[in-house]
Amino acid sequence: RKEVEQDPGPFNVPEGATVAFNCTYSNSASQSFFWYRQDCRKEPKLLMSVYSSGNEDGRFTAQLNRASQYISLLIRDSKLSDSATYLCVVTSDSGGYNKLIFGAGTRLAVHP
Amino acid sequence: GAVVSQHPSWVICKSGTSVKIECRSLDFQATTMFWYRQFPKQSLMLMATSNEGSKATYEQGVEKDKFLINHASLTLSTLTVTSAHPEDSSFYICSARDEPTHRYTEAFFGQGTRLTVV
Repeated sequence: RKEVEQDPGPFNVPEGATVAFNCTYSNSASQSFFWYRQDCRKEPKLLMSVYSSGNEDGRFTAQLNRASQYISLLIRDSKLSDSATYLCVVTSDSGGYNKLIFGAGTRLAVHP
Repeated sequence: GAVVSQHPSWVICKSGTSVKIECRSLDFQATTMFWYRQFPKQSLMLMATSNEGSKATYEQGVEKDKFLINHASLTLSTLTVTSAHPEDSSFYICSARDEPTHRYTEAFFGQGTRLTVV
């Protein structure tokens, strides 16, 4: 079983739509959680951290359910520029380092 | 924000040759850098953790003699793919964090290197 699992998509949505991505992780000892965005052939960039209480940044809302080992990302009022791959990331403490473990990503395509 | 620069952004090499990829932290000192590999439509897979002044720590299944890592200074780590073969063709990305032991420290990524071995 993969450490971080995501629905690969693609999610094809019209502008203005609301879309939700889900992610599950297998290591119950994981301590921190993130959503990264990756554009085609580019490096990943941090979208937002995910805290236990849930957090919101403009049109983006992230939720964490530790009991279910489940993370979500909600995007409201989708823009064309939101088209990208969204990577669910959890951290693993190993050998004194806090390593990032990436999901395979969910592709989002927003169309006019 | 912090910047990580990676070079080259793409390289084509012949089978059997070696390729060196550089990763620099431009405005912070990185005692630890991470090297990832990403195949098309797959996730970033951690290859190794590069430690300044000491040996790198490799993930299971990654050949340390094939992927040589040198972290000679606090701002530079290099990955050398030795005796490259077509199956080594991939997107290689480095990453660094200001405080790698702090859980919510943002990771900054280099621009990535697309390696094609012919």
